Amino acid sequence: GAVVSQHPSWVICKSGTSVKIECRSLDFQATTMFWYRQFPKQSLMLMATSNEGSKATYEQGVEKDKFLINHASLTLSTLTVTSAHPEDSSFYICSARDPIAPTSSYNSPLHFGNGTRLTVT
Amino acid sequence: LAKTTQPISMDSYEGQEVNITCSHNNIATNDYITWYQQFPSQGPRFIIQGYKTKVTNEVASLFIPADRKSSTLSLPRVSLSDTAVYYCLVGDAQTGANNLFFGTGTRLTVIP
Repeated sequence: GAVVSQHPSWVICKSGTSVKIECRSLDFQATTMFWYRQFPKQSLMLMATSNEGSKATYEQGVEKDKFLINHASLTLSTLTVTSAHPEDSSFYICSARDPIAPTSSYNSPLHFGNGTRLTVT
Repeated sequence: LAKTTQPISMDSYEGQEVNITCSHNNIATNDYITWYQQFPSQGPRFIIQGYKTKVTNEVASLFIPADRKSSTLSLPRVSLSDTAVYYCLVGDAQTGANNLFFGTGTRLTVIP
């Protein structure tokens, strides 16, 4: 159980275009999802928290107008990289908390999607 | 940001037990310690979680001393497929950061 699916797994786009990445919780509902970015040989960096039915919360230094997040349903969050540039090329990963872990909700382990490799040319 | 400190890298031979220690001096009182494994080009995978003492599952054991300022992930009899980066995550009482922030992780390389 608790599977998070991301699509696409990789995408190549031209500079200046926009790319949408989908993150779905397949067998559970997630009112909150988390988006990360990871550059080669580096750790994951939290970009934003996606909240179902309300605005996302962005981490310091992350441009909200560039990385548009929409969480329209309890099982789907999308990240749109607008006007992509080569420096946006990265590995984007979404996650959601385990819905049935015995710990309190904010301690529940994270389940991650398999990531989306974005290459901007 | 939640502050954790782990060795950057470790090497181990197949069949050995591997212990990876994580320091988290400012762990928040109510926070659990959670460990994840990440293979290249994949999202991290949950391994184990604990609050205190010892936790064991089919994959690993987690040892947590009484002061909870550190934790040790123990992988019994590693195989080549255990080569990965291992991260520990905790909440930070000093900054108020929750357990969503990844540190540098430990890159484990298992040698034949």
